[in-house]
Amino acid sequence: KAGVTQTPRYLIKTRGQQVTLSCSPISGHRSVSWYQQTPGQGLQFLFEYFSETQRNKGNFPGRFSGRQFSNSRSEMNVSTLELGDSALYLCASSLGGLDQPQHFGDGTRLSIL
Amino acid sequence: QQQVKQSPQSLIVQKGGISIINCAYENTAFDYFPWYQQFPGKGPALLIAIRPDVSEKKEGRFTISFNKSAKQFSLHIMDSQPGDSATYFCAAPALRGQLTFGSGTQLTVLP
Repeated sequence: KAGVTQTPRYLIKTRGQQVTLSCSPISGHRSVSWYQQTPGQGLQFLFEYFSETQRNKGNFPGRFSGRQFSNSRSEMNVSTLELGDSALYLCASSLGGLDQPQHFGDGTRLSIL
Repeated sequence: QQQVKQSPQSLIVQKGGISIINCAYENTAFDYFPWYQQFPGKGPALLIAIRPDVSEKKEGRFTISFNKSAKQFSLHIMDSQPGDSATYFCAAPALRGQLTFGSGTQLTVLP
């Protein structure tokens, strides 16, 4: 069974630009969660989509948004990029219940110049 | 807001030794506690998880212990190997699809 796939693996952008990251979940998983990982803040929850609906959202500004398609693939968008947005962005897929394991992709490394 | 406190921040053990990482939580939406292992350049990989019906779970050299009354859970790595050198994260569910993670423990196993 293929794992979670994230593209691209690396991105370099400049301040003020916007970026879209993609996540393909494990087949059969309807929940996709996004996390930001930085050395200072660790792993922080961005939002979660289940069956094309955003169920939960973390404490991030509105510049961070996402969506999920009918095939469960998800995209995350960050607009008006800031230097502090430099991070590893991870997505995880699961069946969606509280006790269902989340499986992570290898992330997209976003660097803002 | 839910917090998960993880300690120690870093840990160095000799090959063959026991590595112990501890986590404490304030609240959880459900008694399900996974541990993740992360190598440089990779995403976190699910290592082992425990559910509320047991106080201990063992998988190979890895054991989770859970103390509900103390709101604590821990990871024990027996016979630690250099290949176990990685960053370990504990987590607890806050809401469906949302995990709250500990701050991570960087484990180094010396050969």
